[in-house]
Amino acid sequence: SYVLTQPPSVSVAPGQTARITCGGNNIGSKSVHWYQQKPGQAPVLVVYDDIDRPSGIPERFSGSNSGNTATLTISRVEAGDEADYYCQVWDSSSDQVFGGGTKLTVL
Amino acid sequence: QVQLVESGGGLVKPGGSLRLSCAASGFSFSDYYMRWIRQAPGKGLEWVSYISSGGITLYYADSVKGRFTISRDNAKNSLYLQMNSLRAEDTAVYYCATSTVTTGLDVWGQGTTVTVSS
Repeated sequence: SYVLTQPPSVSVAPGQTARITCGGNNIGSKSVHWYQQKPGQAPVLVVYDDIDRPSGIPERFSGSNSGNTATLTISRVEAGDEADYYCQVWDSSSDQVFGGGTKLTVL
Repeated sequence: QVQLVESGGGLVKPGGSLRLSCAASGFSFSDYYMRWIRQAPGKGLEWVSYISSGGITLYYADSVKGRFTISRDNAKNSLYLQMNSLRAEDTAVYYCATSTVTTGLDVWGQGTTVTVSS
């Protein structure tokens, strides 16, 4: 089955840029989606199809995907961005596959 | 507005059964495939099951295959998950989710908690 690997944690100061990676075998050939989940809440889609943002998601959230790594970039990080972030792809062997999640801490 | 509301969670003993429901509103439910996704306490997201818009095509994670059954009633705008032979490792918050205007899961319910314990 397909495996997505994320760093357990990323820390960043307010106003700086956070980059959260998602590794997978030839992930650049797949469409990657990213979700934000705050404590006690359901996940929220923040980036889909590698680079697109759903309506209502700030432009500070962007994505890229190439080779074996997809990246979620959050510019001008705010305290309210502190959350868990999950990458996700569709795989023919197991439908939806999620990464293990990355806890973003705003220092 | 577009909404999914889960219900049916609770405390059940190992080996027991539970049926989760997910009520949809604000969109044409019968046009969209649906998924169940769960999250064990302090853990990440795990896909559980998929059902096509017409209810014909079904997929299950290996961890629940043979024990869980997904179904839907498009006339009632409802999705279900029948869970049998429950195990402690099935303890989780269960979310229903779908893709409506994007290719990602852009609509999620608030989740319903299932606890399997003696």
